[in-house]
Amino acid sequence: GNSVTQMEGPVTLSEEAFLTINCTYTATGYPSLFWYVQYPGEGLQLLLKATKADDKGSNKGFEATYRKETTSFHLEKGSVQVSDSAVYFCALSEGTSYGKLTFGQGTILTVHP
Amino acid sequence: SAVISQKPSRDICQRGTSLTIQCQVDSQVTMMFWYRQQPGQSLTLIATANQGSEATYESGFVIDKFPISRPNLTFSTLTVSNMSPEDSSIYLCSEKRDSGNYGYTFGSGTRLTVV
Repeated sequence: GNSVTQMEGPVTLSEEAFLTINCTYTATGYPSLFWYVQYPGEGLQLLLKATKADDKGSNKGFEATYRKETTSFHLEKGSVQVSDSAVYFCALSEGTSYGKLTFGQGTILTVHP
Repeated sequence: SAVISQKPSRDICQRGTSLTIQCQVDSQVTMMFWYRQQPGQSLTLIATANQGSEATYESGFVIDKFPISRPNLTFSTLTVSNMSPEDSSIYLCSEKRDSGNYGYTFGSGTRLTVV
């Protein structure tokens, strides 16, 4: 079956530091890949997505590239802000699973001033 | 992108009672999903709700415990029945459409505490 593995957290950074959150996946077909963010006390918001190999998703300074050869979709940001503190979820959707999302375990990010 | 209104946003319930959570989408969608997020955990799919047919439940979830309704293409409800403290979680609905190429939209979640 499908699965998503994220790097363990929590991740604690100083403001303006470089961020990488690793995500690898296992899928039987050709999945679409997503990063979602959950701010404290809120629901999930789509951060970025990629639907085929070598696509790069980007939003709000965050980027992730769909790497089929390494089955990865690592999230990066060059300079984090305190307001980026949240839980980040990597997820995939694969055609044979009728559209449902499979989530990674989530990574807590805390950014200090 | 779509907008989903979910309510209630939070509730504290007595064990043995039931709570119905509602999700209203701003336009017609084919598929809606219900997820559970236990404290400090990731999201787990409970069931997929399609209009005009019974919901499809994931392993470990049953209709008697989590009955779902989908009376039309813009609305769905999830009921958490005969609650126990182990049901304390955040419950989220989500939607997927046939057209377009975008990520799934989620409701803001219902934070349920069972005492």
